[in-house]
Amino acid sequence: DAGVTQSPTHLIKTRGQQVTLRCSPKSGHDTVSWYQQALGQGPQFIFQYYEEEERQRGNFPDRFSGHQFPNYSSELNVNALLLGDSALYLCASSYRTGLMEQYFGPGTRLTVT
Amino acid sequence: SQQGEEDPQALSIQEGENATMNCSYKTSINNLQWYRQNSGRGLVHLILIRSNEREKHSGRLRVTLDTSKKSSSLLITASRAADTASYFCATDEDSSYKLIFGSGTRLLVRP
Repeated sequence: DAGVTQSPTHLIKTRGQQVTLRCSPKSGHDTVSWYQQALGQGPQFIFQYYEEEERQRGNFPDRFSGHQFPNYSSELNVNALLLGDSALYLCASSYRTGLMEQYFGPGTRLTVT
Repeated sequence: SQQGEEDPQALSIQEGENATMNCSYKTSINNLQWYRQNSGRGLVHLILIRSNEREKHSGRLRVTLDTSKKSSSLLITASRAADTASYFCATDEDSSYKLIFGSGTRLLVRP
């Protein structure tokens, strides 16, 4: 039973560029949430996707956008990268409401130079 | 913004000792969860306690929840070097789908 997978593992981008991160949820899960974790901090909620729609959004600018596909996998897109976007981006999957335990992927480490 | 605040921020103990970390939160919740994170990688779910529960056990883990004080504690008994990690509490706001994490407690268990 495959857990949550994320790609790529590491990524280095330049300010102003755009990046796409990918996530495949755990088998049987239909809800995907994205989190940003700065060094030394707890994860911060970006948004959650369910039934291919953004169900809830955290306090992040419109530069952060996402998508969920019919197979429940998801993408996180960040435009016009800033140095402050450097962080570990975590994807978590769950079933239905997402208020129960969430299963996290290993994360994508994004460095913006 | 962070909902929960863990205390202490860092904890260093000897193998075999017990480790206690605390979490405080601000709003009413449906449940509270504890997660572990090794070396800045993915989080692993440890335990979930519902707002109508006061205490829950899982192996060497014991979690308490006091909704009147908006606080929770995680006790790890007979700690092992492999327990070295960062521990986060996470809560859901009422009628919300998002998890709100605290800033974490970094636990070091010395062999």
